[in-house]
Amino acid sequence: EAEVAQSPRYKITEKSQAVAFWCDPISGHATLYWYRQILGQGPELLVQFQDESVVDDSQLPKDRFSAERLKGVDSTLKIQPAELGDSAMYLCASSSRSSGEAFFGQGTRLTVV
Amino acid sequence: GQSLEQPSEVTAVEGAIVQINCTYQTSGFYGLSWYQQHDGGAPTFLSYNALDGLEETGRFSSFLSRSDSYGYLLLQELQMKDSASYFCAVGSYNTDKLIFGTGTRLQVFP
Repeated sequence: EAEVAQSPRYKITEKSQAVAFWCDPISGHATLYWYRQILGQGPELLVQFQDESVVDDSQLPKDRFSAERLKGVDSTLKIQPAELGDSAMYLCASSSRSSGEAFFGQGTRLTVV
Repeated sequence: GQSLEQPSEVTAVEGAIVQINCTYQTSGFYGLSWYQQHDGGAPTFLSYNALDGLEETGRFSSFLSRSDSYGYLLLQELQMKDSASYFCAVGSYNTDKLIFGTGTRLQVFP
């Protein structure tokens, strides 16, 4: 069964360091989402791609966060420099059509110390 | 912008029926989805309503009223494994933007 792949599963980094997360969506899915989820809260949309183009990044803290999906397939989310408040689960999801159905990866749990 | 409201927590016993409500405000609304998330896991899709009415999938049903900007998820014959967080999410026309609510934590007791 096709899955959304994310790596790493866990990441511990010191504040002010750079960190990057990788996501490989389900093959053929044009839409890719990056969400941040703090424990006890709902996923917060950071950035949405349609193929290689950014559709929405209104909630992405652009002074420190960047995201790319150069060939319209896999994607990378980067934080530089990391801050203590960035500690959260970073989830990647993909979908193929406007059905409200998105498939999530297992996420990357980031801890900034 | 978009906003969604759900109760923060619901409790029930095995075998019971529980309803989780969701009210939303959004522009360009095209549908309401529901997701389940167990502790430490990723959200998984449960159901989707684009039109008014009830959609049934096994023990789970989802309802939408577009005129009231309201929907609910109905879980029947509750099992211990249904203990999880449940999120409603709204999708927007043209962009496929998917915005999640704050989630409802369901605890099922024996």
